[in-house]
Amino acid sequence: GAVVSQHPSWVICKSGTSVKIECRSLDFQATTMFWYRQFPKQSLMLMATSNEGSKATYEQGVEKDKFLINHASLTLSTLTVTSAHPEDSSFYICSASPEGDQPQHFGDGTRLSIL
Amino acid sequence: GEDVEQSLFLSVREGDSSVINCTYTDSSSTYLYWYKQEPGAGLQLLTYIFSNMDMKQDQRLTVLLNKKDKHLSLRIADTQTGDSAIYFCAARPGGSQGNLIFGKGTKLSVKP
Repeated sequence: GAVVSQHPSWVICKSGTSVKIECRSLDFQATTMFWYRQFPKQSLMLMATSNEGSKATYEQGVEKDKFLINHASLTLSTLTVTSAHPEDSSFYICSASPEGDQPQHFGDGTRLSIL
Repeated sequence: GEDVEQSLFLSVREGDSSVINCTYTDSSSTYLYWYKQEPGAGLQLLTYIFSNMDMKQDQRLTVLLNKKDKHLSLRIADTQTGDSAIYFCAARPGGSQGNLIFGKGTKLSVKP
């Protein structure tokens, strides 16, 4: 089945650091990938839609200069949390699906802890 | 926009059936999904149903969809302790690029 790989799985870093998270579709191509954020014991909230070869579409309230998204190839999207602060600490999860109406498959998530 | 609601907790005994319920508001949602999340892990797709279907069965899992009431349920037969996790209901709004709207998740606890 479709596999989505996310890396790293856990990051701990100091405030002010920028952190890059990678999301790869391993056995299919994805023109669109999605980035979600999940706070402890809460649901997933869509942050942005990553479009291959074009700018990402951000949800209302998500700072595009804070959360930089790059989708340079059909199998890779990256999310960079710039100048991270403790309030950015969260679980970030990406998803992708093969073309058409195939279901979304999720990466294993990245737990980001900013000290 | 779409809003997805589900009960937060469910506790059952091992061997019993579990039924997790979910409601949604957008009647144009095309697909409805059930995902499982274990502690510290990502989301595992369990099953999904297209909006023109009433029921889908896959081994121990049965999904029922009442489109009129916008109600979705997931039944797990012969629930095992390994089924303990958080189960998310999600809807794909009509016209979306594929992004999903999630419920808050139902924490299923299975007691031996």
